[in-house]
Amino acid sequence: AQSVTQLGSHVSVSEGALVLLRCNYSSSVPPYLFWYVQYPNQGLQLLLKYTTGATLVKGINGFEAEFKKSETSFHLTKPSAHMSDAAEYFCAVSALASGTYKYIFGTGTRLKVLA
Amino acid sequence: DVKVTQSSRYLVKRTGEKVFLECVQDMDHENMFWYRQDPGLGLRLIYFSYDVKMKEKGDIPEGYSVSREKKERFSLILESASTNQTSMYLCASSFGLGNYNEQFFGPGTRLTVL
Repeated sequence: AQSVTQLGSHVSVSEGALVLLRCNYSSSVPPYLFWYVQYPNQGLQLLLKYTTGATLVKGINGFEAEFKKSETSFHLTKPSAHMSDAAEYFCAVSALASGTYKYIFGTGTRLKVLA
Repeated sequence: DVKVTQSSRYLVKRTGEKVFLECVQDMDHENMFWYRQDPGLGLRLIYFSYDVKMKEKGDIPEGYSVSREKKERFSLILESASTNQTSMYLCASSFGLGNYNEQFFGPGTRLTVL
């Protein structure tokens, strides 16, 4: 069965510092991988996704993620944090299981950006 | 832009009431989903639908039912609301025959059951 694990429910970084949010997945078949962001009192919106092809995926707002099959990881990074990046981030995986695609979200990581 | 709208942002109901949460999408998406979001638990799938009048149970369907009479509208029904159903409810939609595409979310309904 597939699963997704986000390490760290809360992460704090200083403004201008590197952002690294960790996501590991478990899937016996090639997965589709996603990162979503949720700003306060809003729904989720897609940051980036990996389907096939290039393993380094660039998204909106300067975020990127790299699919590493050997490490079963899809960590989200941004070189320099901005105050507006404060939000909750969700990793998601979709993979074929028993003939249908199952879409699973991680439990989320709340990013705090310190001035 | 894809728009997913939910009928209410905030809702307060009494225990035992029947509650309807409505969701409408304007992009002709085949798939629609209802999730509940609770702190530390992430998003948990309640029900989804891949076509009109079709529905599939998600991970936590107990205490809920759904209705999809039109392609653009997906309703979540709490037959008899209970306090443990106090939560944020998120509706989403996606296109395609398989559940492997980006999901577009509504703003959520924060339901409080007293």
